[in-house]
Amino acid sequence: DTEVTQTPKHLVMGMTNKKSLKCEQHMGHRAMYWYKQKAKKPPELMFVYSYEKLSINESVPSRFSPECPNSSLLNLHLHALQPEDSALYLCASSRTSGSQETQYFGPGTRLLVL
Amino acid sequence: RKEVEQDPGPFNVPEGATVAFNCTYSNSASQSFFWYRQDCRKEPKLLMSVYSSGNEDGRFTAQLNRASQYISLLIRDSKLSDSATYLCVVPSSNTGKLIFGQGTTLQVKP
Repeated sequence: DTEVTQTPKHLVMGMTNKKSLKCEQHMGHRAMYWYKQKAKKPPELMFVYSYEKLSINESVPSRFSPECPNSSLLNLHLHALQPEDSALYLCASSRTSGSQETQYFGPGTRLLVL
Repeated sequence: RKEVEQDPGPFNVPEGATVAFNCTYSNSASQSFFWYRQDCRKEPKLLMSVYSSGNEDGRFTAQLNRASQYISLLIRDSKLSDSATYLCVVPSSNTGKLIFGQGTTLQVKP
């Protein structure tokens, strides 16, 4: 089973709202990732968690706040977003963060910021 | 030079055709490579991993040319269901960071 689940599937929020995206995997993977993808562009890495510790933050604005409560869960807390933050947010996981490890993507949350 | 470059296409081919995509990468130390397929409004899904000279899975063949620093993906006997964007992906290091090409769009027509 190579399933990564994400909730919600769709989210519409105003610029003053606070919301959270959730990601879960039960494959025993110890590396988890958040990506942002705009239309007709490849995914852009936002954050990497390795063994529940944040290992990479790709200079993401502080209005995005990741959290890894345990090895199976990854959250992305959103606050005071801008309309240009509207995108598909993808979670991924891999066994470790090694370069030969396959990353498996969840179905994504499609976010619209009004 | 971009770290990973692909011809964005689109490639429009008839059913049954053979089509090949190329991807060039800049880091000569890269050891592993991936092709992902992404359907419209869906997540990327792993198609093939390439660790040595190449890999074959049914109608799909990936070849690696380390000297010229490119990876190719060959699709034989194209099906309508092969229509998608194909992403060439190269890990940058052992940090888990993947470098994506811009993707190549394939449209297979009846």
